[in-house]
Amino acid sequence: EVHLLESGGVLVQPGGSLRLSCAASGLTFSSYAMSWVRQAPGKGLEWVSSITDSGIYTYYADSVKGRFTISRDNSKNTLYLQMNSLRAEDTAIYYCAKVTGPRGWFDYWGQGTLVTVSS
Amino acid sequence: DIVMTQSPDSLAVSLGERATINCKSSQSVLYSSNNKNYLAWYQQKPGQSPRLLIYWASTRESGVPDRFSGSGSGTDFTLTISSLQAEDVAVYYCQQYHTTPPAFGQGTKVEIK
Repeated sequence: EVHLLESGGVLVQPGGSLRLSCAASGLTFSSYAMSWVRQAPGKGLEWVSSITDSGIYTYYADSVKGRFTISRDNSKNTLYLQMNSLRAEDTAIYYCAKVTGPRGWFDYWGQGTLVTVSS
Repeated sequence: DIVMTQSPDSLAVSLGERATINCKSSQSVLYSSNNKNYLAWYQQKPGQSPRLLIYWASTRESGVPDRFSGSGSGTDFTLTISSLQAEDVAVYYCQQYHTTPPAFGQGTKVEIK
């Protein structure tokens, strides 16, 4: 059974940095693209970033481009999201999600980790 | 970028009745080379993570009850719950994966009347 477990969400001040992690199990991690999707309190789902199976190619939403960096360590079955220059509008639950195919749907989701940006 | 718009924003349906949610994309999500619509539907129950229900616009994910069905092509899609159950109370999202950035609709909240 596929299991994705996010961690690293905390309360951080505006302008601060944070790294989220997503530990994957129950799948051949290195075979799949992965993504981060966020959900602000009481709001809908917003795609944040994706990374291909090898980690060579990365993609970002305009709202986080230049501030966030997605990466992965296939030897540790772990996905990361480095978040810099955080803003209040980055406050959200951050989900990691497995992508089916090179450009596909999100078939497995973690339980999410809450990032709060506030002074 | 492709924009996804769902309607209605919320609906209340009696138990056992049909619920219909619409999703419209600003551009076609049909790939002519394989004749597939790059459209998925998700269910998010209160306090839970999203769950995949349907992909390729009409293919039900394993384990999803057959009362859930998806239809449509091009720019107009529908998720139908044929006989609403109490456990179907949730927010439902459509999502296109035809083009980067992938985009979600704003969500439709389904409640019991």
